[in-house]
Amino acid sequence: NAGVTQTPKFQVLKTGQSMTLQCAQDMNHNSMYWYQQDPGMGLRLIYYSASEGTTDKGEVPNGYNVSRLNKREFSLRLESAAPSQTSVYFCASSESRMQVGANVLTFGAGSRLTVL
Amino acid sequence: AQSVTQPDIHITVSEGASLELRCNYSYGATPYLFWYVQSPGQGLQLLLKYFSGDTLVQGIKGFEAEFKRSQSSFNLRKPSVHWSDAAEYFCAVVLRSGGSYIPTFGRGTSLIVHP
Repeated sequence: NAGVTQTPKFQVLKTGQSMTLQCAQDMNHNSMYWYQQDPGMGLRLIYYSASEGTTDKGEVPNGYNVSRLNKREFSLRLESAAPSQTSVYFCASSESRMQVGANVLTFGAGSRLTVL
Repeated sequence: AQSVTQPDIHITVSEGASLELRCNYSYGATPYLFWYVQSPGQGLQLLLKYFSGDTLVQGIKGFEAEFKRSQSSFNLRKPSVHWSDAAEYFCAVVLRSGGSYIPTFGRGTSLIVHP
C-alpha cells in the first residue's frame, strides 16, 4: 500500500542550483498535483496534470516546471532555486479531475526543501 | 474571488472537551467541500466530504461536519477530543474552472490538545 511516494524527503540547495522532486503513485489515478505548503498559507497549487500527457498551471507556477512522465509519475523541477522557494512540497493524486466525486486527493508525505 | 477561509489559526482544547473548527467559503454555485487532517511530518488525510444530500456528514475518527448554505459554512466538530487529534486541519473546496474541478485549500487550523 505505497500510495503516493515522494523523493527526496529532505533537500538543501544553494541559490541558483537546480533539482527535481519525484512523485509516483500506484493507484492508477488519472490526475496528479503539486502543492506548496508554507506556515499560515495553507496549500497552494503549483501545477497539476489532469491526465497523462497534459499539465496546467496552478496558483503559484513561477519558478517551476513539471513533467508527467507517464500515468504513474509526475515530477517538479526547480531550474534555478531561490530562497523564496524554501518550503514543503506535496504531491497528490486523484482518480479523475473531471469528476468531482472522484476528486478526493491522496497525498504523499512531503518533501522539505531548503534553499540557502 | 472564490475562496475558503478558516478564521482560527490555532485552537486549544482540553482532552475530552468538544471541538468545533470553522470553515467559510465564498463560491457562487453549490460547493463540494472537504476536511483534511495533517499529523506532524505527514501528508494530508481525508476526514470527510460533502457533495450533496444530508447536510450533516460523518467522517473518520469520530469527526462530523455540517454544511450550512445560509451561512456559507462547513464547520468540523467532534464531541470529545483525544490527545491524538492534535494536528493541522484543512478545509478545502473544489471549484469548477472551465471543465476541471480544482481543489483549493484554506490556510489551516492548528489544534492543540491539553491533557
